[in-house]
Amino acid sequence: DAMVIQNPRYQVTQFGKPVTLSCSQTLNHNVMYWYQQKSSQAPKLLFHYYDKDFNNEADTPDNFQSRRPNTSFCFLDIRSPGLGDAAMYLCATRQREGSYNEQFFGPGTRLTVL
Amino acid sequence: GIQVEQSPPDLILQEGANSTLRCNFSDSVNNLQWFHQNPWGQLINLFYIPSGTKQNGRLSATTVATERYSLLYISSSQTTDSGVYFCAVAYNQGGKLIFGQGTELSVKP
Repeated sequence: DAMVIQNPRYQVTQFGKPVTLSCSQTLNHNVMYWYQQKSSQAPKLLFHYYDKDFNNEADTPDNFQSRRPNTSFCFLDIRSPGLGDAAMYLCATRQREGSYNEQFFGPGTRLTVL
Repeated sequence: GIQVEQSPPDLILQEGANSTLRCNFSDSVNNLQWFHQNPWGQLINLFYIPSGTKQNGRLSATTVATERYSLLYISSSQTTDSGVYFCAVAYNQGGKLIFGQGTELSVKP
Protein backbone atom coordinates (compact mmCIF):
# COMPACT_ATOMS: atom_id res chain seq x y z
CA ASP A 1 0.00 0.00 0.00
CA ALA A 2 1.13 3.54 -0.75
CA MET A 3 1.99 5.30 2.44
CA VAL A 4 3.94 7.84 4.46
CA ILE A 5 6.62 6.33 6.71
CA GLN A 6 8.41 8.01 9.59
CA ASN A 7 11.47 6.79 11.40
CA PRO A 8 12.10 6.40 14.19
CA ARG A 9 8.69 6.29 15.88
CA TYR A 10 10.26 7.32 19.18
CA GLN A 11 13.44 9.34 19.58
CA VAL A 12 15.21 10.31 22.77
CA THR A 13 17.94 12.90 22.64
CA GLN A 14 19.88 15.00 25.09
CA PHE A 15 19.60 18.73 25.51
CA GLY A 16 21.70 20.36 22.79
CA LYS A 17 22.50 17.13 20.92
CA PRO A 18 21.55 17.34 17.22
CA VAL A 19 18.86 14.96 16.03
CA THR A 20 17.46 14.04 12.61
CA LEU A 21 13.97 12.71 11.93
CA SER A 22 13.16 10.93 8.70
CA CYS A 23 10.10 10.79 6.46
CA SER A 24 9.63 8.78 3.29
CA GLN A 25 6.66 8.34 0.99
CA THR A 26 5.60 5.91 -1.69
CA LEU A 27 2.76 8.15 -2.94
CA ASN A 28 5.05 10.09 -5.32
CA HIS A 29 3.54 13.35 -4.08
CA ASN A 30 5.29 16.60 -4.94
CA VAL A 31 4.62 18.37 -1.62
CA MET A 32 5.95 17.27 1.77
CA TYR A 33 5.17 18.96 5.09
CA TRP A 34 6.55 18.88 8.62
CA TYR A 35 4.17 19.67 11.48
CA GLN A 36 4.99 19.95 15.19
CA GLN A 37 2.41 18.93 17.78
CA LYS A 38 3.05 19.66 21.44
CA SER A 39 1.15 17.96 24.20
CA SER A 40 -2.59 18.76 24.23
CA GLN A 41 -2.22 21.14 21.28
CA ALA A 42 -3.12 21.05 17.62
CA PRO A 43 -0.46 20.34 14.98
CA LYS A 44 1.33 23.41 13.65
CA LEU A 45 3.19 23.67 10.35
CA LEU A 46 6.96 24.17 10.51
CA PHE A 47 7.77 24.18 6.76
CA HIS A 48 7.06 22.44 3.51
CA TYR A 49 8.68 21.52 0.21
CA TYR A 50 6.98 21.88 -3.15
CA ASP A 51 9.30 19.69 -5.23
CA LYS A 52 12.68 21.15 -4.25
CA ASP A 53 11.33 24.59 -3.31
CA PHE A 54 11.60 25.11 0.44
CA ASN A 55 8.94 27.18 2.23
CA ASN A 56 9.56 28.16 5.83
CA GLU A 57 6.85 29.38 8.18
CA ALA A 58 7.64 32.82 9.58
CA ASP A 59 7.59 31.65 13.20
CA THR A 60 9.62 28.46 12.77
CA PRO A 61 12.75 28.73 14.93
CA ASP A 62 16.15 28.76 13.19
CA ASN A 63 17.00 25.66 15.21
CA PHE A 64 14.85 23.66 12.79
CA GLN A 65 16.14 22.81 9.32
CA SER A 66 14.94 20.49 6.61
CA ARG A 67 16.35 18.63 3.61
CA ARG A 68 14.63 16.94 0.70
CA PRO A 69 17.25 15.06 -1.32
CA ASN A 70 14.69 13.48 -3.64
CA THR A 71 10.92 13.13 -4.15
CA SER A 72 10.61 10.26 -1.70
CA PHE A 73 12.54 11.49 1.31
CA CYS A 74 12.43 14.49 3.61
CA PHE A 75 14.42 15.07 6.80
CA LEU A 76 13.90 17.30 9.81
CA ASP A 77 17.08 18.40 11.56
CA ILE A 78 16.98 19.95 15.01
CA ARG A 79 20.40 21.49 15.52
CA SER A 80 20.34 22.04 19.29
CA PRO A 81 17.20 20.59 20.85
CA GLY A 82 15.84 22.32 23.90
CA LEU A 83 13.34 20.99 26.41
CA GLY A 84 10.64 22.99 24.61
CA ASP A 85 11.21 21.00 21.41
CA ALA A 86 9.82 17.83 22.95
CA ALA A 87 6.81 17.07 20.79
CA MET A 88 5.26 14.78 18.19
CA TYR A 89 6.62 15.53 14.71
CA LEU A 90 4.28 14.68 11.87
CA CYS A 91 5.18 14.40 8.20
CA ALA A 92 2.49 14.79 5.55
CA THR A 93 2.31 14.71 1.77
CA ARG A 94 0.04 16.09 -0.94
CA GLN A 95 -0.05 16.06 -4.70
CA ARG A 96 -0.29 19.68 -5.82
CA GLU A 97 -2.17 19.67 -9.09
CA GLY A 98 -5.76 20.31 -10.03
CA SER A 99 -8.25 20.96 -7.29
CA TYR A 100 -7.73 17.87 -5.13
CA ASN A 101 -5.86 18.90 -1.96
CA GLU A 102 -6.02 16.01 0.50
CA GLN A 103 -3.02 15.59 2.82
CA PHE A 104 -1.83 12.22 4.07
CA PHE A 105 0.04 11.88 7.35
CA GLY A 106 2.67 9.49 8.60
CA PRO A 107 2.48 7.89 12.06
CA GLY A 108 4.70 10.56 13.61
CA THR A 109 7.93 10.60 15.61
CA ARG A 110 7.63 11.36 19.30
CA LEU A 111 10.71 13.27 20.44
CA THR A 112 11.83 13.34 24.06
CA VAL A 113 14.57 15.75 25.16
CA LEU A 114 16.42 14.91 28.38
CA GLY B 1 -5.35 34.52 9.24
CA ILE B 2 -8.12 32.00 9.03
CA GLN B 3 -9.66 30.85 12.32
CA VAL B 4 -10.92 27.33 12.97
CA GLU B 5 -13.14 26.59 15.96
CA GLN B 6 -14.34 23.18 17.03
CA SER B 7 -17.09 22.31 19.44
CA PRO B 8 -17.57 20.83 21.88
CA PRO B 9 -14.02 20.66 23.29
CA ASP B 10 -14.85 17.50 25.24
CA LEU B 11 -17.54 14.88 24.89
CA ILE B 12 -18.32 11.81 26.96
CA LEU B 13 -20.67 9.21 25.49
CA GLN B 14 -22.07 5.87 26.44
CA GLU B 15 -21.32 3.13 23.95
CA GLY B 16 -24.03 3.03 21.29
CA ALA B 17 -24.86 6.73 21.46
CA ASN B 18 -24.72 9.13 18.52
CA SER B 19 -22.85 12.42 18.39
CA THR B 20 -22.26 15.48 16.23
CA LEU B 21 -19.00 17.43 16.19
CA ARG B 22 -18.88 20.89 14.66
CA CYS B 23 -16.14 22.88 12.91
CA ASN B 24 -16.55 26.58 12.07
CA PHE B 25 -14.06 28.41 9.88
CA SER B 26 -13.73 32.10 9.17
CA ASP B 27 -12.92 32.27 5.44
CA SER B 28 -13.23 30.38 2.15
CA VAL B 29 -11.23 27.16 2.00
CA ASN B 30 -10.01 24.78 -0.70
CA ASN B 31 -9.46 21.89 1.68
CA LEU B 32 -11.23 20.64 4.76
CA GLN B 33 -10.27 17.40 6.41
CA TRP B 34 -11.45 15.53 9.47
CA PHE B 35 -8.93 13.42 11.38
CA HIS B 36 -9.04 11.02 14.30
CA GLN B 37 -5.88 11.05 16.39
CA ASN B 38 -5.41 7.66 17.97
CA PRO B 39 -3.76 7.04 21.38
CA TRP B 40 -0.38 6.56 19.65
CA GLY B 41 -0.61 10.01 18.11
CA GLN B 42 -1.23 9.04 14.52
CA LEU B 43 -3.64 11.23 12.53
CA ILE B 44 -6.06 8.99 10.69
CA ASN B 45 -7.78 10.56 7.68
CA LEU B 46 -11.53 10.34 8.10
CA PHE B 47 -12.83 12.63 5.39
CA TYR B 48 -11.58 15.02 2.74
CA ILE B 49 -14.66 17.22 2.43
CA PRO B 50 -14.26 20.85 1.29
CA SER B 51 -17.96 20.74 0.38
CA GLY B 52 -20.86 18.31 0.26
CA THR B 53 -21.67 15.16 2.19
CA LYS B 54 -19.81 11.87 2.54
CA GLN B 55 -20.40 8.69 4.48
CA ASN B 56 -18.08 5.93 5.56
CA GLY B 57 -19.69 3.25 7.68
CA ARG B 58 -20.86 4.72 10.99
CA LEU B 59 -19.26 8.06 10.22
CA SER B 60 -20.53 10.77 7.95
CA ALA B 61 -19.61 14.40 7.34
CA THR B 62 -21.21 17.45 5.81
CA THR B 63 -19.56 20.71 4.84
CA VAL B 64 -21.62 23.79 3.97
CA ALA B 65 -18.90 25.93 2.42
CA THR B 66 -21.13 28.97 1.87
CA GLU B 67 -21.93 29.07 5.60
CA ARG B 68 -18.38 28.09 6.65
CA TYR B 69 -19.03 25.08 8.82
CA SER B 70 -18.61 21.33 8.76
CA LEU B 71 -20.22 18.60 10.85
CA LEU B 72 -18.93 15.14 11.69
CA TYR B 73 -21.54 12.58 12.72
CA ILE B 74 -20.65 9.45 14.65
CA SER B 75 -23.43 6.91 15.02
CA SER B 76 -23.59 3.89 17.33
CA SER B 77 -20.32 4.92 18.99
CA GLN B 78 -17.81 2.31 20.11
CA THR B 79 -15.03 2.49 22.69
CA THR B 80 -12.53 2.42 19.83
CA ASP B 81 -13.93 5.77 18.64
CA SER B 82 -12.32 7.43 21.66
CA GLY B 83 -9.59 9.96 20.96
CA VAL B 84 -9.23 13.45 19.62
CA TYR B 85 -11.04 14.55 16.46
CA PHE B 86 -9.47 17.39 14.51
CA CYS B 87 -10.89 19.52 11.77
CA ALA B 88 -8.28 21.21 9.55
CA VAL B 89 -8.61 23.63 6.65
CA ALA B 90 -6.39 25.06 3.95
CA TYR B 91 -7.03 28.13 1.84
CA ASN B 92 -4.17 28.63 -0.61
CA GLN B 93 -1.97 26.77 -3.10
CA GLY B 94 0.63 26.00 -0.44
CA GLY B 95 -1.89 23.78 1.30
CA LYS B 96 -0.88 24.65 4.87
CA LEU B 97 -3.43 23.02 7.14
CA ILE B 98 -4.82 25.14 9.95
CA PHE B 99 -6.13 22.88 12.68
CA GLY B 100 -8.90 23.49 15.16
CA GLN B 101 -8.18 22.71 18.79
CA GLY B 102 -9.91 19.37 18.56
CA THR B 103 -12.76 17.57 20.28
CA GLU B 104 -11.70 14.95 22.81
CA LEU B 105 -14.20 12.11 22.68
CA SER B 106 -14.44 9.45 25.35
CA VAL B 107 -16.79 6.52 24.78
CA LYS B 108 -17.58 4.50 27.90
CA PRO B 109 -18.58 0.81 27.79
